[in-house]
Amino acid sequence: QSVLTQPPSASGTPGQRVTISCSGSSSNIGSNYIYWYRQVPGTAPKLLIYRNSQRPSGVPDRFSGSKSGTSASLAISGLRSEDEADYYCATWDDSLSGRVFGGGTQLTVL
Amino acid sequence: EVQLVESGGGLVQPGGSLRLSCAASGFSFSDYSMNWVRQAPGKGLEWLSYISSNGIINYAHSVKGRFTISRDTAKNSLYLQMNSLRAEDTAVYFCSRDASLAYFEHWGQGALVTVSS
Repeated sequence: QSVLTQPPSASGTPGQRVTISCSGSSSNIGSNYIYWYRQVPGTAPKLLIYRNSQRPSGVPDRFSGSKSGTSASLAISGLRSEDEADYYCATWDDSLSGRVFGGGTQLTVL
Repeated sequence: EVQLVESGGGLVQPGGSLRLSCAASGFSFSDYSMNWVRQAPGKGLEWLSYISSNGIINYAHSVKGRFTISRDTAKNSLYLQMNSLRAEDTAVYFCSRDASLAYFEHWGQGALVTVSS
């Protein structure tokens, strides 16, 4: 059972905007930065968003992150077939004194 | 180009030990914090351990007391000593480098560890 809760699946059609949520508590999301990763099955994860809403160089501006209270969201606009992947949120948890991941969301482009 | 290459994975019996290595190149290894993250078959990511550039270490509760992280700056290498292995430790193990402002900026390709009799 992950400390951070993500929906197991999400879907959209090409061109749509989809949002993936990550819900936590005051000891993790509520007091720390959130990070987002994208993983194509069988490959290593890739950093998508850092410090809640910042994009590393090379990540398209179709990807955006936000945080409010104890929840965070990853939004993908102009959905493309190549966006099909698993998406994970991560942060620090003050109670556990360690880093934690969400359970992951499998995104399907219909 | 940052490169992280894990090695040392394989098949081990329950209760056995294994040491994973992660060879780093393309950056000043001594300047960065490093991590181990694993992914059980068909499951999500699980952070295991962290070691800072100056040797601060922490562990996930699930492996504390069984796993030991270390680094050798002379060899540009990160290690994970895994003892008392259990079937539930079966996973792909990734090493990952932090950035100054981000967790897990770069990742290796992973090493598969299978714990089975």
